[in-house]
Amino acid sequence: AQKITQTQPGMFVQEKEAVTLDCTYDTSDQSYGLFWYKQPSSGEMIFLIYQGSYDEQNATEGRYSLNFQKARKSANLVISASQLGDSAMYFCAMREWGNFNKFYFGSGTKLNVKP
Amino acid sequence: DGGITQSPKYLFRKEGQNVTLSCEQNLNHDAMYWYRQDPGQGLRLIYYSQIVNDFQKGDIAEGYSVSREKKESFPLTVTSAQKNPTAFYLCASSIPGLINSPLHFGNGTRLTVT
Repeated sequence: AQKITQTQPGMFVQEKEAVTLDCTYDTSDQSYGLFWYKQPSSGEMIFLIYQGSYDEQNATEGRYSLNFQKARKSANLVISASQLGDSAMYFCAMREWGNFNKFYFGSGTKLNVKP
Repeated sequence: DGGITQSPKYLFRKEGQNVTLSCEQNLNHDAMYWYRQDPGQGLRLIYYSQIVNDFQKGDIAEGYSVSREKKESFPLTVTSAQKNPTAFYLCASSIPGLINSPLHFGNGTRLTVT
């Protein structure tokens, strides 16, 4: 089974609107961390936000927030007030306590922000 | 500023030649990683190293080799045994043992083999 599933290969959003990028994960560990990365067309991977499995509050970083639903094993990224510069690939990733060495990545979602 | 430097940004090689991609970090991270990314796809782990002079194979290690002689450096050699070497290669580092430590990435090397 895939550890990280991103079911939206591509999405469009109007500038200044909010958008939600989906991510579901599969783990039997009680302790794990969830990460979101942005990859612009230039290729670099930019760390956006982190959510720990024991964190009771949803993580927020500026315009990024993580909608963490532990029982559903979902960790959706919400981008508020989209900007043209948000157009990029977005990857969800997970790290498990039982296997610190590995980060599991999803296949990504390509977000296009329309003016 | 601390970070990860990958060089070169673009690399062109003829089929049958080995090629080495450079990765240097000054973040003082013990763990380093190499990932491969094909167009429109996610990241696949090639090799990782948790400490100097030790490294482990990832999911797609065949045709690749690495060394970790210094904490700061983790070069990747793409050998002629790698059947489809043309790809985007990303190096990353992290703090092992800290679950909230993200991967910090370099800017990548785009390798084209003809």
